[in-house]
Amino acid sequence: GAVVSQHPSRVICKSGTSVKIECRSLDFQATTMFWYRQFPKQSLMLMATSNEGSKATYEQGVEKDKFLINHASLTLSTLTVTSAHPEDSSFYICSAISGTGGSYEQYFGPGTRLTVT
Amino acid sequence: AQSVTQLDSQVPVFEEAPVELRCNYSSSVSVYLFWYVQYPNQGLQLLLKYLSGSTLVKGINGFEAEFNKSQTSFHLRKPSVHISDTAEYFCAVNLNTGFQKLVFGTGTRLLVSP
Repeated sequence: GAVVSQHPSRVICKSGTSVKIECRSLDFQATTMFWYRQFPKQSLMLMATSNEGSKATYEQGVEKDKFLINHASLTLSTLTVTSAHPEDSSFYICSAISGTGGSYEQYFGPGTRLTVT
Repeated sequence: AQSVTQLDSQVPVFEEAPVELRCNYSSSVSVYLFWYVQYPNQGLQLLLKYLSGSTLVKGINGFEAEFNKSQTSFHLRKPSVHISDTAEYFCAVNLNTGFQKLVFGTGTRLLVSP
């Protein structure tokens, strides 16, 4: 089946620093990747949609200058949290859609737990 | 705009008992429907999906769901649960318009006790 990985699985950073999270589709080409944020005991909130080779589309209320998304290849998208603050601490999950499309099924990564101290 | 409602935030049930997790949606266009399961500190795993055809959909781990267009519901069921089914369950909707954005419900915590 389609596998999506994320790295790192956990990261702790100091307030004011930046952190990069990678999302990779391991056995398929992902024309579209999504980035979600999940607070404890809450649902997933879509942050942005990332298409290979083009700028990401951000959801309303998401700061594009704070959450930088790069989808440079068909197997890799990165989310960089710039100048992180404690309120950015959260569980970040990516998902990917196969380039062949048709099923509208998103394959989810295992998530990255970000803690900003 | 479409939305997904999961009325039950938590459902406690005893092992081997049946369970139903409720999901209702609102949309002015036809939709695709999904159920995902999330174990602690993990990503989401697809349980089942409805795209078209038979309204009764069977998924992994013995789960099934029925699409009811008139009631705009997609309830998840399992006839006999196990301790290992304890997890968070999310219902999600995707508009059948070619744009692949998912809208999630707030989730239902299934707690299975011995």
